[in-house]
Amino acid sequence: AQTVTQSQPEMSVQEAETVTLSCTYDTSESDYYLFWYKQPPSRQMILVIRQEAYKQQNATENRFSVNFQKAAKSFSLKISDSQLGDAAMYFCAYRTSGGGADGLTFGKGTHLIIQP
Amino acid sequence: DVKVTQSSRYLVKRTGEKVFLECVQDMDHENMFWYRQDPGLGLRLIYFSYDVKMKEKGDIPEGYSVSREKKERFSLILESASTNQTSMYLCASGLRSSYNEQFFGPGTRLTVL
Repeated sequence: AQTVTQSQPEMSVQEAETVTLSCTYDTSESDYYLFWYKQPPSRQMILVIRQEAYKQQNATENRFSVNFQKAAKSFSLKISDSQLGDAAMYFCAYRTSGGGADGLTFGKGTHLIIQP
Repeated sequence: DVKVTQSSRYLVKRTGEKVFLECVQDMDHENMFWYRQDPGLGLRLIYFSYDVKMKEKGDIPEGYSVSREKKERFSLILESASTNQTSMYLCASGLRSSYNEQFFGPGTRLTVL
């Protein structure tokens, strides 16, 4: 079974600065997908960014980018120019590539605080 | 925009009651999921469904069952609610491909007394 580990229960960053959230995972599969989800205080979970394991290029979405290290099984999220609206719980998630009907395996989450 | 709705935001039930949590999606997604979210544990998959009347157990199915009679609706059933089922329940839906994101509902905070 796959596992996802987020070692930082809470992180704090000054507004406009850059912060990196860590995520490691364990799998014996060679092809899979990785996701970062954001859950603001209102509780609606939304996708931030995703990465296909067979792609070497790191995914980027505006101020959000990932550092995907397949050999190290590491998938960190970098948020540049942090904004107050970035304050939320962030979850790293893994999904197998087979079938397409499987659920996500989530980490325990990192609570990101943005200091004004 | 994809919309996933859940029947209640907050629910209070008594031990032993039968509880139904309803989820509806409006984007014709094949897959639907039920997760449970607890502080310090993240989200854990209870059950999922990839088609009408089809269901698969997730990581923590004990004490739960599901029903999917129509493509857009996926119900989570607690046959006899217990206090350890007090939790936040999140429903999600998505297209069949593993690369596709899952869209989440707002959640139901269930308290079992």
